[in-house]
Parts: sequence; structure tokens; C-alpha cells
Amino acid sequence: GAGVSQTPSNKVTEKGKYVELRCDPISGHTALYWYRQSLGQGPEFLIYFQGTGAADDSGLPNDRFFAVRPEGSVSTLKIQRTERGDSAVYLCASSYPRGHNEQFFGPGTRLTVL
Amino acid sequence: AQKITQTQPGMFVQEKEAVTLDCTYDTSDQSYGLFWYKQPSSGEMIFLIYQGSYDEQNATEGRYSLNFQKARKSANLVISASQLGDSAMYFCAMREGNFNKFYFGSGTKLNVKP
Repeated sequence: GAGVSQTPSNKVTEKGKYVELRCDPISGHTALYWYRQSLGQGPEFLIYFQGTGAADDSGLPNDRFFAVRPEGSVSTLKIQRTERGDSAVYLCASSYPRGHNEQFFGPGTRLTVL
Repeated sequence: AQKITQTQPGMFVQEKEAVTLDCTYDTSDQSYGLFWYKQPSSGEMIFLIYQGSYDEQNATEGRYSLNFQKARKSANLVISASQLGDSAMYFCAMREGNFNKFYFGSGTKLNVKP
């Protein structure tokens, strides 16, 4: 398929564990975004990549959260020492850098921290 | 202050009628973009319509139109001839200036009644 893909679709982990969430953007999209969506809320910006570099990481809640995009395509969001409050749906989106920046979203990863 | 405010947590509309979903925004930038997204129960975010701050005409996309009132900082979504498949969460979002950080509202849940 040509859309944004995210794996896994669901992740259940225990408090204190480390998790990695993967995003595969649409081919050719140089901009990539990570969002967190809690139940009943809108998506909350976490980080934005332009190519390989994190152009804006001001939304990361603390230093337990980190994201990489080493080759300018696939991105991995990493969460250390998970807490129950990290439970949410993590959305990835990609877009071209020009125009009005319409974002194409992936299906999300539902993270549950027990 | 909230960047995006959606004051209607839930709305009902009769099939085939029109409905307006409210959105107000807060920015001091002259250049910004406004977006509406639909999120069905399946969870995917679907782009609906975009309005640039310098666009003089209201954006339209099929049955969707955006009632852009710049002085009032409102960007209401109008859905004409509602269909059962329009039942979903609807999110208003804004991108400020040349930055790529997007702000989303808390959403409006629309229910279309047969």
C-alpha cells in the first residue's frame, strides 16, 4: 500500500519497560510527525522531522521520549522506563515540505502500560 | 491559552441536512493554515479541507466548506447533505507561520441520524 504504516498496531508493556514504535512514511515525503492521542482528546504534537534531523522536538514530554529517523525515511519513537500515563495512541504522519503541508496519518499504535 | 478551541463535544444532525462544526483559533502570526480532519471509529485521521490565512475565498471540497472569518478567528466546518458515513470525530487544527508544529482541538463527535 502507499499509505503511512505503523507497527505494531498494539503494544502492551509493563511499567518501567522500554518500547519502540515504528513509522514508515509515504515514499517521497520528507516531513514526518509524531503525535500522541489520549482517549477523548485531539492529537498532541510530539516531534517533527525534516529529512533525518529533528526540526522541532518541543512536544516531547520529557527525556524518556526520543525519536530517530536515521535515513530520512522510517522513524522510530523510543520510550524508556514507561509509565502508566504514557498509555495512548501514538500517531505518525508524513507530508511534503511544500504547499500547505497536508499530513497523511498512519493507523496509529495503541500503547498500554500496565 | 488554547490554540484551537472546539466548543461542541457532540453534535447530532438528521441525514441529508447541513451541519456546522465550530472552531476558533488563537495566533498572533499573520501567516497560518487551518485544517479539518475526520477520525472515524476505526481511528485513522482523514484530511478534509484546508484554509490558508491569506486565502480570500472560503475553501470548499465537495460537501465540505470552511466558513473562514479572520477577524473573529473562526474556521467553522460546514458539511452539507449529511450522510450516515459522516458520523465520526472531527478535529480542527492549525499550523502557525513557517513552522511545522500543528495544534489540534479536542474534537467534536458528530452523529448523523437516519
